[in-house]
Parts: sequence; structure tokens; C-alpha cells
Amino acid sequence: QLLLQESGPGLVKPSETLSLTCTVSGASIITKTYYWGWIRQPPGKGLEWIGTINYGGNTYYNPSLKNRLSISIHTSESQVSLSLSSVAATDTAVYYCAMALVVGDLLFWGQGTMVAVSS
Amino acid sequence: AGLTQPPSVSKGLGQTATLTCTDDTNTVGNQGAAWLQQHQGHPPKLLSYRNRNRPSEISERFFASRSGNTASLTISRLQPEDEADYFCSTWDSSLNVLVFGGGTKLTVL
Repeated sequence: QLLLQESGPGLVKPSETLSLTCTVSGASIITKTYYWGWIRQPPGKGLEWIGTINYGGNTYYNPSLKNRLSISIHTSESQVSLSLSSVAATDTAVYYCAMALVVGDLLFWGQGTMVAVSS
Repeated sequence: AGLTQPPSVSKGLGQTATLTCTDDTNTVGNQGAAWLQQHQGHPPKLLSYRNRNRPSEISERFFASRSGNTASLTISRLQPEDEADYFCSTWDSSLNVLVFGGGTKLTVL
């Protein structure tokens, strides 16, 4: 069974860089048909797509975050990472990683990790 | 694509609810819309792929359809556990971006 587990700091200071990791188990992270996405949800609000990466390292980013965002795939650790620079309070959210068999159809989700941006 | 969903829908136990997702472009018409269910405090769950098929574990009470640039999710024989937030999403292949609707809170009375 595919399992996704997000991890990272629960608190980040404004202007610093947020780094999160999604550890994948139960499937090969470099399977050609898999896409790995990051999605966030501010408290009490809806879902916002952050970006997606495929097995070959091709990335697709939310244009509103693109200048601050980097998503990478680390095959030996079976991990997908997210780096978001120059964070502000508006980046406070639950961050989810998810897997898609078809890009855009997010089939498996991690439990999410809450990140607060505060001094 | 900008996806618009009604903020809330209320229906009675055992009734049928139809949730809508309207696109202001042709993306949903061309690419379809996926549907996700999210219970409070839990991650979203995919109910329907953009091609309107359901993942194997999803009940047939959830039926996705599409007419023009509006996607719909019909939930029949409403049960208490159907009370949740429902989101639609689509993949804009011209821009390579994933777009979510704002979500609909379904209340089962």
C-alpha cells in the first residue's frame, strides 16, 4: 500500500526558507507513470496547488509561487522535497504531498503537516 | 481556468445532492474535473478522476458528470458521513497548472 508522510518544521520565521520532505513507501518513486504533488490549505480555507514533479524531475509550479519555489525528487531516499523561500504569514497552512497516476488526478494523499510562519 | 463552486449545500438524509463546478474557460470542457472529499481534520480523498471514473474503493453513490464547462457531482442516498467539504479540480494543460475550486460544504440534515 502506498504511504506518503510529510515532515518538516512546524514553525518558520518570516523571510526564512520553508523546507519539507515527503517520504514515499510502498511504491517506487521513479515509476514512470507517477506524479508527485504538493498542495497546501490555510486554516479554514480551501486547497491551493503548489507544484508537481514527475519521475524524470520535470516540474510544474503554481505561477504565484514560482519565484520562491523549488521541488525536487530524491530517488535514493524515496523522497520528494519542497523548498519555499522568503515565507510570510500568508504561507501558514497544512502542507500535503500527494501522488497522481495522471497529472492532476491526486489519488493518494499524505496526512499533511502544519506549518506556521511567525516570529 | 477559474473554478466556481457554491459555498454550501444542504440536503436531507437519504436525499440526493448535486454539487456543481463551473469553469470560466474551456478547461473543464476539454480536460474534465476531478472531485475530492475532505472531512474536517483529514486529508482530501479522490472521489472521481477527471475522466469521471471512480477509484475502486469509492461508492457508486458518487456520480460525476459534465455538461459544457460545468462539472457536477451527484451524491445519492445521502448518509451522515457524506457531510464534508467537496472540491473540484482540473489540469490546465496549456499552462501546466492544477486549479482547485473554492469548495462546497455539504450539510446532511
